[in-house]
Amino acid sequence: DQQVKQNSPSLSVQEGRISILNCDYTNSMFDYFLWYKKYPAEGPTFLISISSIKDKNEDGRFTVFLNKSAKHLSLHIVPSQPGDSAVYFCAASKGYGGATNKLIFGTGTLLAVQP
Amino acid sequence: DVKVTQSSRYLVKRTGEKVFLECVQDMDHENMFWYRQDPGLGLRLIYFSYDVKMKEKGDIPEGYSVSREKKERFSLILESASTNQTSMYLCASWSSNTGELFFGEGSRLTVL
Repeated sequence: DQQVKQNSPSLSVQEGRISILNCDYTNSMFDYFLWYKKYPAEGPTFLISISSIKDKNEDGRFTVFLNKSAKHLSLHIVPSQPGDSAVYFCAASKGYGGATNKLIFGTGTLLAVQP
Repeated sequence: DVKVTQSSRYLVKRTGEKVFLECVQDMDHENMFWYRQDPGLGLRLIYFSYDVKMKEKGDIPEGYSVSREKKERFSLILESASTNQTSMYLCASWSSNTGELFFGEGSRLTVL
């Protein structure tokens, strides 16, 4: 039972354009969401997070939007750069995370930014 | 900066061999995790640990065990490696300050 779903395995975008990565979740108890980026042969690195008390969080070129009623979040990257090419994982937890509130990861979306 | 170090980046083992994957973190985090990453399946939790000598099964513990004798070190053990355990293994530790999981660089295991 996949509680966190990333339905697009891959996405290709032109450099300078917007990249939109989507994530859906089924558990209404989830209230903390994160995005991680992963390059090949490296571990995932934290990108941005949002708690359920917000519907938007911004950090430079990266913005995460949360729609609680639709159980949907999205990551916007503007403008997209070739260095953004990586696998992006969405993750969710009930509470702040850690061993008590384990993060549940999606299956990932491979973003390719074309020069 | 938090550093999570995995001892082996690439390993090749034979079916039936015992495999140890070591992970060390330098930030005194209590919670540590082992995941495996497979194409199309994302990151799946194998085992995690609340603190020294404390361990809990994750979503896919079968065929694995773990050891946490010291706070900074969390080891994943494959008692008898099988080909379906060929995967990328990722160790992580969790910061209670930021709610962020910090990952190691991963260990790519191939079982022949």
